[in-house]
Amino acid sequence: ILNVEQSPQSLHVQEGDSTNFTCSFPSSNFYALHWYRWETAKSPEALFVMTLNGDEKKKGRISATLNTKEGYSYLYIKGSQPEDSATYLCAFYGGATNKLIFGTGTLLAVQP
Amino acid sequence: DTGVSQNPRHKITKRGQNVTFRCDPISEHNRLYWYRQTLGQGPEFLTYFQNEAQLEKSRLLSDRFSAERPKGSFSTLEIQRTEQGDSAMYLCASSLAPANQPQHFGDGTRLSIL
Repeated sequence: ILNVEQSPQSLHVQEGDSTNFTCSFPSSNFYALHWYRWETAKSPEALFVMTLNGDEKKKGRISATLNTKEGYSYLYIKGSQPEDSATYLCAFYGGATNKLIFGTGTLLAVQP
Repeated sequence: DTGVSQNPRHKITKRGQNVTFRCDPISEHNRLYWYRQTLGQGPEFLTYFQNEAQLEKSRLLSDRFSAERPKGSFSTLEIQRTEQGDSAMYLCASSLAPANQPQHFGDGTRLSIL
């Protein structure tokens, strides 16, 4: 059974704080790691797709790193804003199957 | 590009009834996925199509669930003889192959079984 774990489950920060979340995934048969942001009443939105060990991607104030050998990825948000409030999901793509295995997500609430 | 469209947005039905959901993917995407999401969980894979071929189906999907994608365009997900445990958000996503392409999600259909 392939397991994808995310921590923390939820996080409450003040506007302007920087924060980070962790995604752990199987280190064998790795193909890709996806990050999505899911705001309430909207559809999940792709942030990053990462494939190479050591990869680092950035989109505005959000960045992500990838370590495929030890099986983890970090998502960083610099200077959190209330509009960053959402559930952040990571998903592992690997093995012999053509499907994404999602973690349970990290719920971020940014207080103004 | 109008994005992935799902309807209905909400469906309330009595236990034992059949329901059908529709997904219209982004037109140039050849892959289409169905997921189910319940409270406190991430999206859980149900099935996926490459063009009109259904290539993988989760073992979690009982015989009451069936999905089609005629002509490789829109897809339907049907649940027969619904049970209370079927209450969930049903998400559709589409993408280009291969797996290093992001998936584009619809807003989902929220199913409530009375």
